[in-house]
Amino acid sequence: AQSVTQLDSHVSVSEGTPVLLRCNYSSSYSPSLFWYVQHPNKGLQLLLKYTSAATLVKGINGFEAEFKKSETSFHLTKPSAHMSDAAEYFCVVSDKGGSYIPTFGRGTSLIVHP
Amino acid sequence: DAGITQSPRHKVTETGTPVTLRCHQTENHRYMYWYRQDPGHGLRLIHYSYGVKDTDKGEVSDGYSVSRSKTEDFLLTLESATSSQTSVYFCAIRGQGEGSGYTFGSGTRLTVV
Repeated sequence: AQSVTQLDSHVSVSEGTPVLLRCNYSSSYSPSLFWYVQHPNKGLQLLLKYTSAATLVKGINGFEAEFKKSETSFHLTKPSAHMSDAAEYFCVVSDKGGSYIPTFGRGTSLIVHP
Repeated sequence: DAGITQSPRHKVTETGTPVTLRCHQTENHRYMYWYRQDPGHGLRLIHYSYGVKDTDKGEVSDGYSVSRSKTEDFLLTLESATSSQTSVYFCAIRGQGEGSGYTFGSGTRLTVV
């Protein structure tokens, strides 16, 4: 069965420093992978998705992620954090074996200090 | 979010009462999902639908039922609400084609007292 593990429940960075949110996945098929962001008391917004095309995926607001099959990873990065990036981030996997039902990680809370 | 709305946005109900949450889409998408969000658990699947009258259970389906009589509406019913069902509920739709993303509604915050 497909699954996803977000390796950090909280990540704390200073404004202007790089962001790294880690995600490992498990899938017996060619997975689709997504990162979603949720600001406090808001819904979920798609940041970026990987669907078997280019392994380096660029998303909105300067975020990008790299699909590494050998490491079963899909880490989210951003070169320079902004205060507005403070939010909850979810890594999501779906594949044919799971009937394309999205399976969520438990989330990583990104804290940005001034 | 464009194309998908949830109602109500907030609800407080008493233990033991039935509650129905509605998800409405204007995209004519086949797949619809209900999730609940709780701190430390991410989003967990309650039920999903792959067409009119076609539904199946997710990992946390106990105490919940769903119905889909029209493509555009997916209803989630708590048959007899309990305090453990206090949560934020999200509906989602899946776009057409393999690798399509998922669009989420704005959520319903349900409190069972």
